[in-house]
Amino acid sequence: DIQMTQSPSAMSASVGDRVSITCRASQGINNYLAWFQQKPGKAPKRLIYAASTLQSGVPSRFSGSGSGTEFTLTISSLQPEDFATYYCLQHNFYPRTFGQGTKVEIK
Amino acid sequence: EVQLVESGGGLVQPGGSLTLSCAASGFTFTTYSMNWVRQAPGKGLQWVSYISSSSSTIYYADSVKGRFTISRDNARNSLYLQMNSLRDEDTAVYYCARARGAYDWFDPWGQGTLVTVSS
Repeated sequence: DIQMTQSPSAMSASVGDRVSITCRASQGINNYLAWFQQKPGKAPKRLIYAASTLQSGVPSRFSGSGSGTEFTLTISSLQPEDFATYYCLQHNFYPRTFGQGTKVEIK
Repeated sequence: EVQLVESGGGLVQPGGSLTLSCAASGFTFTTYSMNWVRQAPGKGLQWVSYISSSSSTIYYADSVKGRFTISRDNARNSLYLQMNSLRDEDTAVYYCARARGAYDWFDPWGQGTLVTVSS
């Protein structure tokens, strides 16, 4: 199975900060990677697909980059509504696998 | 509006069975593959199962293989997950999510349905 290792697992940040979350795949997954945001009690919401394509309706402060085994989700200027847990997902191989999540908390 | 609505969750004893449903609307169901994903309380996301648009291709996570069965009824725009021999560790919120093509995976998700396995 492909292991998706996200880092950090949690972080504290302030409104306006630039935040980056990394996801490393145990083997190459091309760009079959998506990023999701999940708020407590809610279903995940897709932010980025194909590693770097912004989902329609998602603010442009979110961006994704990477290919192969290393990927990054960046929030250019953290907003109050961005405090949530973020997950990466690889869909190149079965079983589909998620990263363990990164919880972004208010500093 | 694209909508996925899960139902069928509840409390079941270890070893018991339950069938989850996912009702799809707002899109052409027959052109999408479907997935089940679960989330144990306070934990991360785990992919459970996949079914292609015609039901010709099916995959399962090892943790549910032989116990869970995914199916769909394209005439009813519905997805199902038959869960047998349930274990404590199957306790989770179960979500359905659609997929199509190379990159259009897991968008959107339903609101989820909670399955609790406990005696």
